[in-house]
Amino acid sequence: GQSLEQPSEVTAVEGAIVQINCTYQTSGFYGLSWYQQHDGGAPTFLSYNGLDGLEETGRFSSFLSRSDSYGYLLLQELQMKDSASYFCAVRSFSGGYQKVTFGTGTKLQVIP
Amino acid sequence: DGGITQSPKYLFRKEGQNVTLSCEQNLNHDAMYWYRQDPGQGLRLIYYSQIVNDFQKGDIAEGYSVSREKKESFPLTVTSAQKNPTAFYLCASSIVRDSHEQFFGPGTRLTVL
Repeated sequence: GQSLEQPSEVTAVEGAIVQINCTYQTSGFYGLSWYQQHDGGAPTFLSYNGLDGLEETGRFSSFLSRSDSYGYLLLQELQMKDSASYFCAVRSFSGGYQKVTFGTGTKLQVIP
Repeated sequence: DGGITQSPKYLFRKEGQNVTLSCEQNLNHDAMYWYRQDPGQGLRLIYYSQIVNDFQKGDIAEGYSVSREKKESFPLTVTSAQKNPTAFYLCASSIVRDSHEQFFGPGTRLTVL
């Protein structure tokens, strides 16, 4: 089977940096994605790591270590609008089909 | 503007009734997905389709059915066999089956009374 673990809640101060971790167990691992979802809204894609290392997109960075089955999302210069849930999602291949499995999400609260 | 539309946004049904949720995309994407989200939970995959006339069961397919007769449409039917159908349903698409980015619709919140 597949499983992902991420913290359920994180609180951080506006302007600060926050890291959201994700550990996974899966077969046929292909890559790790991150999505943001505001309350009642649709998830939107943030970042993807297919290889080990750091990917940077503006204030957001994502890191992957395949050997450790671990990744994280780093948010810098936090803004109030960053308050949302963040999901890691594992891409894997099984039986010739791609599958994406989402974690249970980390609710980030940014406080003044 | 290209995107994914789901209708309606809110849907109420009586227990024991089948209901079909609509999902349409004009992004010319090959792959489409249906997810279920419960409060405080992640997204759980119900069904996915890599190409027209082909679909695969996800992790929680029991009580659901889908069709993919057209590239742009992937309707989901919640049948009376689904024991706990009240949830937020999200449809998504990706360019091809190997794409790492999924685009999501606004979702349909289904409440079964």
